[in-house]
Amino acid sequence: QVQLVESGGGLVKPGGSLRLSCAASGFTFSDYYMSWIRQAPGKGLEWVSYISSSGSTIYYADSVKGRFTISRDNAKNSLYLQMNSLRAEDTAVYYCARGYPVGDAFDIWGQGTMVTVSS
Amino acid sequence: EIVLTQSPGTLSLSPGERATLSCRASQSVSSSYLAWYQQKPGQAPRLLIYGASSRATGIPDRFSGSGSGTDFTLTISRLEPEDFAVYYCQQYGSTGVWTFGQGTKVEIK
Repeated sequence: QVQLVESGGGLVKPGGSLRLSCAASGFTFSDYYMSWIRQAPGKGLEWVSYISSSGSTIYYADSVKGRFTISRDNAKNSLYLQMNSLRAEDTAVYYCARGYPVGDAFDIWGQGTMVTVSS
Repeated sequence: EIVLTQSPGTLSLSPGERATLSCRASQSVSSSYLAWYQQKPGQAPRLLIYGASSRATGIPDRFSGSGSGTDFTLTISRLEPEDFAVYYCQQYGSTGVWTFGQGTKVEIK
């Protein structure tokens, strides 16, 4: 079945780095744009980053620009988020999500991976 | 950046009642790029509506979306026990930024 599975979350100190991964299965990964979306504890959803199906176009939210890097490996059906210079306010569940080709919504979401930034 | 404001923050209703959720944008949004999601505790969000009024695959017809410009509405015609959750609207702007509303919680009265 169509599935996204995130991994790589954990506890990291402020200023540290973490790399999240998202493994896709059940669909042709290279046909879809992807995004990372996060949710701080008890808070709403915040879009973080976008990557086009080929990887040629990338966008970031202002809150992570210059610190986070999104990438994908279509041969491995995988999406990544390299997070550097982490701050306490980056603490959240990070979801990878598949872009719906109509309307730029997100139709498939992973279960999320928790990132905690704390000393 | 377009800001989406959802109201009310919490909606207290009984099963079988009608729920009307509002999403107001700080500037005009293309109807093509307005979506609604449902999120239950401990779960990822689920796409309900895209293009302001089109139901996603497998979404029951008691869910409907409407609106244009700056005012959009999600209506649940008759609440089922499994519909009590938090609902988010989301828009995509042509500048490569997606934004979400702060959410409306539909709780059992």
